[in-house]
Amino acid sequence: QVQLQESGPGLVKPSETLSLTCRVSGASVSRGNYYWSWIRQPPGKRPEWIGYVFYTGSTNYNPSLESRVSISADKSKNQFSLRLSSVTAADTAVYYCARDALDGIDFWGQGTLVTVSS
Amino acid sequence: DIQMTQSPSTLSASVGDRVTITCRASQNINIWLAWYQQKPGKAPNLLIYKASTLESGVPSRFSGSGSGAEFTLTISSLQPDDFATYYCQQYNTYSRTFGQGTKVEIK
Repeated sequence: QVQLQESGPGLVKPSETLSLTCRVSGASVSRGNYYWSWIRQPPGKRPEWIGYVFYTGSTNYNPSLESRVSISADKSKNQFSLRLSSVTAADTAVYYCARDALDGIDFWGQGTLVTVSS
Repeated sequence: DIQMTQSPSTLSASVGDRVTITCRASQNINIWLAWYQQKPGKAPNLLIYKASTLESGVPSRFSGSGSGAEFTLTISSLQPDDFATYYCQQYNTYSRTFGQGTKVEIK
């Protein structure tokens, strides 16, 4: 069974960089036709796709966030990471890591709430 | 950017009712649409992909249809476990976008 687990600070100050890591078990981030993804959901709102990293290392990002976001994979640790710079209160959300199977997002982490506040 | 619009935003129904949710895309997305169910405090759960293919383990009372820019999710006989929020999501391009959600409430 594929499992994903997010980790990282739950509180980030405005203008700083949000960093999260997703540990994957039951699957490999270095094999297979999957997009290892980050998705966020502000309280009471729809999910918002942030971007993904492919097993080849190639990435794609939401155009609205592209100037501030970076996603990378660490094959030796079987995990992938998100960095979002220059955060504001609008970046407060539950952040999910997930496996995008190219036909739907079939496995999700439990989510981690990140609050941007001084 | 492809925009996804769901209707209605909220739906009140009773156990046993047939329920239909509509999702419209701002442009042709062929059949590249998925549906998810989300309960409070939980991650979304994949129900349907390729507009009409049921994900493994999902009850057969859920079905999806449509192509191009208009899609529907139908629950044939609403069960107590089905009261939740439902989202559509397009994956026609390299990016992904979600609808605003439809909350199915107890009538």
